Amino acid sequence: GAVVSQHPSRVICKSGTSVKIECRSLDFQATTMFWYRQFPKQSLMLMATSNEGSKATYEQGVEKDKFLINHASLTLSTLTVTSAHPEDSSFYICSASPPLNGQPQHFGDGTRLSIL
Amino acid sequence: GQQLNQSPQSMFIQEGEDVSMNCTSSSIFNTWLWYKQDPGEGPVLLIALYKAGELTSNGRLTAQFGITRKDSFLNISASIPSDVGIYFCAGDFGNEKLTFGTGTRLTIIP
Repeated sequence: GAVVSQHPSRVICKSGTSVKIECRSLDFQATTMFWYRQFPKQSLMLMATSNEGSKATYEQGVEKDKFLINHASLTLSTLTVTSAHPEDSSFYICSASPPLNGQPQHFGDGTRLSIL
Repeated sequence: GQQLNQSPQSMFIQEGEDVSMNCTSSSIFNTWLWYKQDPGEGPVLLIALYKAGELTSNGRLTAQFGITRKDSFLNISASIPSDVGIYFCAGDFGNEKLTFGTGTRLTIIP
């Protein structure tokens, strides 16, 4: 089945640090990937759509200069949280859809980001 | 952003009991999906529904896409300990962007 891998699984760093999270589709090519954020005991909220070879599209209220997305290849999207602060601490999850139309999204295992 | 209303918010059941949860929306969705999330992990797809009225099973799980395209239910029969977790419904308008429900936390009482 479709596999999406995320790295790292956990990051703990100081306030002001920039953190990069990778999302890879392991057995299929994904022209589109998605980044979600999940706060404790809450649901997943879509942050942005990552498009291979073009700019990401961000959901309302998500700062594009804060959350930099790069989708340089058909199997890799990266999310960089720039100058992270404690309020950015959250569970970040990516997803990708296999290329066949109508195939549901498969999710990575998430990255727990803790900013001290 | 919009969220789907999912109920119940939490359930406490004994092993072997059947479980039922549902999801409602004010919007019409093209596709309805059910995911399970274990602590510290990403959601895992359980069932995908594509047609209004569609009833689909996956082992002990059964889900239906409402006729109006605004609701769905998920049933789990004869629950077992590994069913513990948070269940999310998610709707897709057809643009691949998923809107998630508020989640149902399932706990099995020993």
